[in-house]
Amino acid sequence: ETGVTQSPTHLIKTRGQQVTLRCSSQSGHNTVSWYQQALGQGPQFIFQYYREEENGRGNFPPRFSGLQFPNYSSELNVNALELDDSALYLCASSLGHFPDTQYFGPGTRLTVL
Amino acid sequence: KQEVTQIPAALSVPEGENLVLNCSFTDSAIYNLQWFRQDPGKGLTSLLLIQSSQREQTSGRLNASLDKSSGRSTLYIAASQPGDSATYLCAVSLGTNAGKSTFGDGTTLTVKP
Repeated sequence: ETGVTQSPTHLIKTRGQQVTLRCSSQSGHNTVSWYQQALGQGPQFIFQYYREEENGRGNFPPRFSGLQFPNYSSELNVNALELDDSALYLCASSLGHFPDTQYFGPGTRLTVL
Repeated sequence: KQEVTQIPAALSVPEGENLVLNCSFTDSAIYNLQWFRQDPGKGLTSLLLIQSSQREQTSGRLNASLDKSSGRSTLYIAASQPGDSATYLCAVSLGTNAGKSTFGDGTTLTVKP
């Protein structure tokens, strides 16, 4: 148990729709990072939030956006869903300072039809 | 751009064997390197974290080493067990905090009874 939870577990959407995925970090963890993992590949970094501000972004288009709240919860929003967005979405929380171990949630499996 | 490679992609060994998984990265200016385990369809479980100033970390039957100058890390598993069967991922963080990690595509390990 990492203390990081994600909801929902599974989600099915159709192309063009919008989706919101949620993550609850460990208490005291100021940093949350979101990753997309396609089948058979390693996770790809989407973006990171530190104390409610975006703190770095990977090679993902603006239709991927996020929010972090003061209660250690966060959201990943994806607009105009495409078939290639089908993947496992993972959030990871960390302290934001040494030793900075990342703790991952169980993920949300998104299927876009 | 940081690239992380894991070799081999898959490995099958008999129970009791000692084994080594390899991870190489192209940019040696890392913040830390973390090894994870992932069971099918699940999130990531942290195994070992090595800070950039460290050379190795040990936890139980696991030992991870880091050689920044050559851009390599190894994960040594002693006396493998069927329960060790999973995909093992290494992740490298740059900058000044964890997250924003670049992952390899993993090594899928099968330990046969």
